[in-house]
Amino acid sequence: AQSVTQLDSQVPVFEEAPVELRCNYSSSVSVYLFWYVQYPNQGLQLLLKYLSGSTLVKGINGFEAEFNKSQTSFHLRKPSVHISDTAEYFCAVSDQAGANNLFFGTGTRLTVIP
Amino acid sequence: EPEVTQTPSHQVTQMGQEVILRCVPISNHLYFYWYRQILGQKVEFLVSFYNNEISEKSEIFDDQFSVERPDGSNFTLKIRSTKLEDSAMYFCASSLRTQQFFGPGTRLTVL
Repeated sequence: AQSVTQLDSQVPVFEEAPVELRCNYSSSVSVYLFWYVQYPNQGLQLLLKYLSGSTLVKGINGFEAEFNKSQTSFHLRKPSVHISDTAEYFCAVSDQAGANNLFFGTGTRLTVIP
Repeated sequence: EPEVTQTPSHQVTQMGQEVILRCVPISNHLYFYWYRQILGQKVEFLVSFYNNEISEKSEIFDDQFSVERPDGSNFTLKIRSTKLEDSAMYFCASSLRTQQFFGPGTRLTVL
């Protein structure tokens, strides 16, 4: 079984400052990794994904994440945040076999302060 | 750009009543999913569906829940006898391979 840990439930950061949202996972099998963003009263939008290949993946809105297998981490980063980045961010994993059901972390609320 | 749609956006029901949540996945997708998010909590997997049958289901998906793909376009989640704790946002998703596309969700409120 897979599980995802997002240690930071809330992250406040000033506009134009860098941010890192942490994600650690545990799994007995090889996994795919994802970050989703949820804006207020909306559904889940994919930010980026790691399937294979380069461990540094770039996504939409200037976000990137690095897969670290030895540390079982997939932290999300952005060098300079904008007010519009205020949202809930979810890290998720799925195993590489079967129907690829997603297992989500508890989410991190990013609040960008003007 | 194709997208997953869900209806209704908000459903209010009395405890013990049956509800059907509807989803229209992206047309060429093969895998279909339901997830739920209780207010303030994480998104939880309920069930996946492939080739007209359930692939996997979580512990949450008990006998009160069922899914159906009655025609070539709709994918439904039925809750037979709703409980207060079923109040949540229910998300449908579909995928061709690994990337799942989510609908906007249906907010279910059980009174």
